[in-house]
Amino acid sequence: NAGVTQTPKFQVLKTGQSMTLQCAQDMNHEYMSWYRQDPGMGLRLIHYSVGAGITDQGEVPNGYNVSRSTTEDFPLRLLSAAPSQTSVYFCASSISSFSGANVLTFGAGSRLTVL
Amino acid sequence: GQQLNQSPQSMFIQEGEDVSMNCTSSSIFNTWLWYKQDPGEGPVLLIALYKAGELTSNGRLTAQFGITRKDSFLNISASIPSDVGIYFCAGQRGGSARQLTFGSGTQLTVLP
Repeated sequence: NAGVTQTPKFQVLKTGQSMTLQCAQDMNHEYMSWYRQDPGMGLRLIHYSVGAGITDQGEVPNGYNVSRSTTEDFPLRLLSAAPSQTSVYFCASSISSFSGANVLTFGAGSRLTVL
Repeated sequence: GQQLNQSPQSMFIQEGEDVSMNCTSSSIFNTWLWYKQDPGEGPVLLIALYKAGELTSNGRLTAQFGITRKDSFLNISASIPSDVGIYFCAGQRGGSARQLTFGSGTQLTVLP
């Protein structure tokens, strides 16, 4: 089992460019989510999905779009990157939205730098 | 959003020493969790606590859910080099993973 796979691992963008961070899981998890990790801030929830076709905003959604067309994939899109979006991004999934955090599986992270 | 105050921010200890870190909040949580993040990896769950006053061990790790439900601590005994990493606490208000609030992390360095 690959678990939660994130690509790319590293990315450098210029301000205004767009890109998509990919997240895929092979565990048939209903719940998927995106966090960003900034120094001194801990992990903050950007968007989440409780199943295919259903997404919702987390704590810091501005500047990011998501979609969930399949159970396996949950891409995070930056339409016009800004330096404030320089961060490490983590995708996480669990069997269902009500399984609790004790079974949340994280990907290895994607480090994004916006110049 | 809710804030978790995690301390210390960083620690440098000698191999074999014990380590203690804690998290406090102004809000009540139903669940407390402790994660470890190795360099270049995502967080991995170490211990989950579900009841006020609960004390749970996982090998050399011991964590407690504070009686007030507003705090938790993690102890690591007899530290070893592979304990190096960032340790995060997280509080959960309800029964869903989207209701997690993370602390800012404790960077642990173990010196030989």
